[in-house]
Amino acid sequence: SAVISQKPSRDICQRGTSLTIQCQVDSQVTMMFWYRQQPGQSLTLIATANQGSEATYESGFVIDKFPISRPNLTFSTLTVSNLSPEDSSIYLCTHSGNTEAFFGQGTRLTVV
Amino acid sequence: AQSVAQPEDQVNVAEGNPLTVKCTYSVSGNPYLFWYVQYPNRGLQFLLKYITGDNLVKGSYGFEAEFNKSQTSFHLKKPSALVSDSALYFCAVRPHGSGNTGKLIFGQGTTLQVKP
Repeated sequence: SAVISQKPSRDICQRGTSLTIQCQVDSQVTMMFWYRQQPGQSLTLIATANQGSEATYESGFVIDKFPISRPNLTFSTLTVSNLSPEDSSIYLCTHSGNTEAFFGQGTRLTVV
Repeated sequence: AQSVAQPEDQVNVAEGNPLTVKCTYSVSGNPYLFWYVQYPNRGLQFLLKYITGDNLVKGSYGFEAEFNKSQTSFHLKKPSALVSDSALYFCAVRPHGSGNTGKLIFGQGTTLQVKP
């Protein structure tokens, strides 16, 4: 199973600023996924990141707010732009193994 | 629409007693089924999966789950609960087949509280 590392593990940001989250996988993977977990809620898929093409966003999520990069098969970034308190969540990246998905520890974002 | 339901927000059980955390799904085809556990301030940990074969699958920490195709259910079970099992449990489904990229659909989560 691939190991996923996410940075930062947590951050407190001012509203109106942006935060970029990095996700590193220790082996090459085709698809990477970004999820959001709002306080007390389940996980919701933000987008699917495939290397060499634009990310595919789920309903309710747009590229201007959540730009994603996928420069190679082991790395991806998610930026949360123009932060508001409603963006306070845990953001998790994962990759699609042959069957089960493996998650990083997540990034806990608090917007003040 | 594809969905996963965990009908109980919280399950309370005494230590040593059996536990069940329920999950039903509405996904076409033959999806892959998973259970994940989340401890406070931790990421999601994979517990077990059903892909095909025997309806009863065994996973980490003594947990098991029973797949029931006719009821589209995948309930998580453990014969004897431990206080350390107290955590948030998520059922997840991965639609399988052409056009499916590997994304997961999660249930809303069930908090398991095991009391000494």
